[in-house]
Amino acid sequence: QQPVQSPQAVILREGEDAVINCSSSKALYSVHWYRQKHGEAPVFLMILLKGGEQKGHEKISASFNEKKQQSSLYLTASQLSYSGTYFCGTEESGAGSYQLTFGKGTKLSVIP
Amino acid sequence: GAGVSQSPSNKVTEKGKDVELRCDPISGHTALYWYRQSLGQGLEFLIYFQGNSAPDKSGLPSDRFSAERTGGSVSTLTIQRTQQEDSAVYLCASSRTMNTGELFFGEGSRLTVL
Repeated sequence: QQPVQSPQAVILREGEDAVINCSSSKALYSVHWYRQKHGEAPVFLMILLKGGEQKGHEKISASFNEKKQQSSLYLTASQLSYSGTYFCGTEESGAGSYQLTFGKGTKLSVIP
Repeated sequence: GAGVSQSPSNKVTEKGKDVELRCDPISGHTALYWYRQSLGQGLEFLIYFQGNSAPDKSGLPSDRFSAERTGGSVSTLTIQRTQQEDSAVYLCASSRTMNTGELFFGEGSRLTVL
């Protein structure tokens, strides 16, 4: 089942902060975050595992609420290089497969 | 090269023709995924291979789509009797571990069906 991301798009000025949310109706084992710049392949940012293990990225962090099947990506002091489309990918608990299902993405534009 | 390689990078075909898209994953990666990305849309899961296990084909949109992975390495996605709605960028990704870890994506194959 495809996770739902919000907002669909956001425009920031350099230095501002943003939060991107991802929610699922299924119990989750892991949540992944990727960023895709226009015309390029998606690039891994971080993974959050059930049980609280977390990996981070410089100035970008994330939380995973297992009970609510929700994850949020936090971008602080945004830079022009943060522009792109952010995708969350979810892996369901007990699904018997390692399928990673992505949301429709959140387009982030950082302007000077 | 060190990354995931896909070919062709661009393919224009006529409606009704068959096409093959190739993915060469990172050496040693046991998991391989195919996704489809239509203009302005998200990443639609198509199929997943893990080692010698049976692939997860649950995302294939119709029986015109098939994929194979030979020798646990190179994969080919085949679309038979292409339709205009098949036009999209087809992305391949590989992962080192059996449990979903970081996916490394290729640059994609852009398919245009006229």
